Amino acid sequence: AQKVTQAQTEISVVEKEDVTLDCVYETRDTTYYLFWYKQPPSGELVFLIRRNSFDEQNEISGRYSWNFQKSTSSFNFTITASQVVDSAVYFCALSENNFNKFYFGSGTKLNVKP
Amino acid sequence: ETGVTQTPRHLVMGMTNKKSLKCEQHLGHNAMYWYKQSAKKPLELMFVYNFKEQTENNSVPSRFSPECPNSSHLFLHLHTLQPEDSALYLCASSPRLAGYTDTQYFGPGTRLTVL
Repeated sequence: AQKVTQAQTEISVVEKEDVTLDCVYETRDTTYYLFWYKQPPSGELVFLIRRNSFDEQNEISGRYSWNFQKSTSSFNFTITASQVVDSAVYFCALSENNFNKFYFGSGTKLNVKP
Repeated sequence: ETGVTQTPRHLVMGMTNKKSLKCEQHLGHNAMYWYKQSAKKPLELMFVYNFKEQTENNSVPSRFSPECPNSSHLFLHLHTLQPEDSALYLCASSPRLAGYTDTQYFGPGTRLTVL
């Protein structure tokens, strides 16, 4: 079974729409970290956010927001008022502190059309 | 120059060639990583180095040979590759290796095509 599941392979929206990218994780660790990365067409993964398992507060950074819910093992990412420059592949990742392991999801490709 | 750089950005090689990928980080980090990204697959962690010492080899075939001469440089030596090795190879670094809890910063990758 996959440790990090991003069920949405590809999403297409029109500019200015809001879009939510889903991430569901699986771990037996009580201490773990969750990440989101953006991979534009240039290839480089750009770090967006790191969140530890003890901090369930939602976070907002400009048009980006993240909803962490331990009860459903989810760490979803919402882009508000999407822009063409948001078009990229977005990866969710999990690091397990006690098991010393790191896992990426398979990514969600976001297409934002003008 | 800042961040993580990788050269070359694109590489085409035959199955009998020998080539090397280079990664350099200017962030003062102590841990460096090689990842393989194939189409429609999750990123696969290949190798991990911490303070120049290899700490992880995720069952990578011996035709891939990493080298880390210092904390700023990481190489991936390639020889007798197969067409299925064609992929984007990404290098990353992090301040330290502590159960991967530190944020990893990635380079732009080398797009490798094996003919």
